[in-house]
Amino acid sequence: NAGVTQTPKFRVLKTGQSMTLLCAQDMNHEYMYWYRQDPGMGLRLIHYSVGEGTTAKGEVPDGYNVSRLKKQNFLLGLESAAPSQTSVYFCASSYSRTSGSSEQYFGPGTRLTVT
Amino acid sequence: DAKTTQPPSMDCAEGRAANLPCNHSTISGNEYVYWYRQIHSQGPQYIIHGLKNNETNEMASLIITEDRKSSTLILPHATLRDTAVYYCIVRAPNTGNQFYFGTGTSLTVIP
Repeated sequence: NAGVTQTPKFRVLKTGQSMTLLCAQDMNHEYMYWYRQDPGMGLRLIHYSVGEGTTAKGEVPDGYNVSRLKKQNFLLGLESAAPSQTSVYFCASSYSRTSGSSEQYFGPGTRLTVT
Repeated sequence: DAKTTQPPSMDCAEGRAANLPCNHSTISGNEYVYWYRQIHSQGPQYIIHGLKNNETNEMASLIITEDRKSSTLILPHATLRDTAVYYCIVRAPNTGNQFYFGTGTSLTVIP
């Protein structure tokens, strides 16, 4: 099992450029998440998905779009990058359980710099 | 989800037990206590979780007070590789929602 993988690992964009971050998981998890982490801060949720074809906004969704066309993949898009989007982006996934707990598994992160 | 309070930083001598406290005085009856850690900008790593009873796994022990208003994560024999930021999170089951990570406790294990 590869777990949760993210591509690319690093990227530098100019202001106004667009890009897509890919997250893939091979654990057959229903839920997937995109977080961002700024220096010295905890993770903040951007968007999440509770199943194929469904997405929802998190805490900081502005400037991002997402798609979940396949259960194993969750894409994060930046249509017009801004310097404020310079951050480390983490993807996570988890099972959906009707009762009990459900821990999240994280990818290694994508370090994005917007100049 | 209930808010948690953790000390911003702690030190621990290598080989000794590291005891990381967390206050969650507004926790609800169905909310679990989770612990994650993040080593030097890597993705957060799940450590342990519990509801009411104390829990132990290969990584750590989790002690939850009887009133559930606080908990302690115990790393029994800290090593230099345990230096990380530790996050205490409380969350209701199957909410389909995020974990609120906060800023956690930065643990430094000293040789």
